[in-house]
Amino acid sequence: DIQMTQSPSSLSASVGDRVTVTCRASQPISTYLNWYQHKPGKAPELLIYAASSLQSGVPSRFSGSGSGTDFTLTISSLQPEDFAAYYCQQGYSTPYTFGQGTRLEIK
Amino acid sequence: QIQLVESEGGVVRPGGSLRLSCAASGFTFSQYGMHWVRQAPGKGLEWVALIQYDGGKAYYADSVKGRFTISRDNSKNTLHLLMISLRAEDTAIYYCVKDAGYVNAHSFDYWGQGTLVPVSS
Repeated sequence: DIQMTQSPSSLSASVGDRVTVTCRASQPISTYLNWYQHKPGKAPELLIYAASSLQSGVPSRFSGSGSGTDFTLTISSLQPEDFAAYYCQQGYSTPYTFGQGTRLEIK
Repeated sequence: QIQLVESEGGVVRPGGSLRLSCAASGFTFSQYGMHWVRQAPGKGLEWVALIQYDGGKAYYADSVKGRFTISRDNSKNTLHLLMISLRAEDTAIYYCVKDAGYVNAHSFDYWGQGTLVPVSS
């Protein structure tokens, strides 16, 4: 099985900050890497698919990059509604594993 | 618009069984793979199972293999998850999820609202 490791597990930041979350796969997965935002009490939402493609309707302050084993999610200027948990997920092979999550909190 | 609506969960005793259903609308259900994903209290997201668009193949997380069965009825646009021999560690919110397809890196582009399944005596 492919293991996905995210870092950091939690992050404190302020509105307007630029933040980066990283995700590492235990073996190469090309660009079969997706990012989700999850707020308490709501369903997760797809932000980025195929490592760098922005899902329709997602603000352009979100971006993704990487290929192979190392990937990043960047939020260019944090907004109040961005404080949430973020997960990476590999779609290369089953089981389609998630990273353990990154909790983004207000500083 | 695309909607995925899960059936109500409900408390189940350890060792018990439950079948979840998910009604899909707003897209051609028979053309897409479908998943179940869960989140245990205080934990992260865990992929549970996948069924191919035509029901031909199914895949499971090791944690549920042999106890859970995913199935679909394309004539009724419905996805199911039969869970048997339930354990306390199966307590979670269960989400019905649409697969965006191979060209979209098997991302999960639509999610149901989730249904809570507590396993407790």
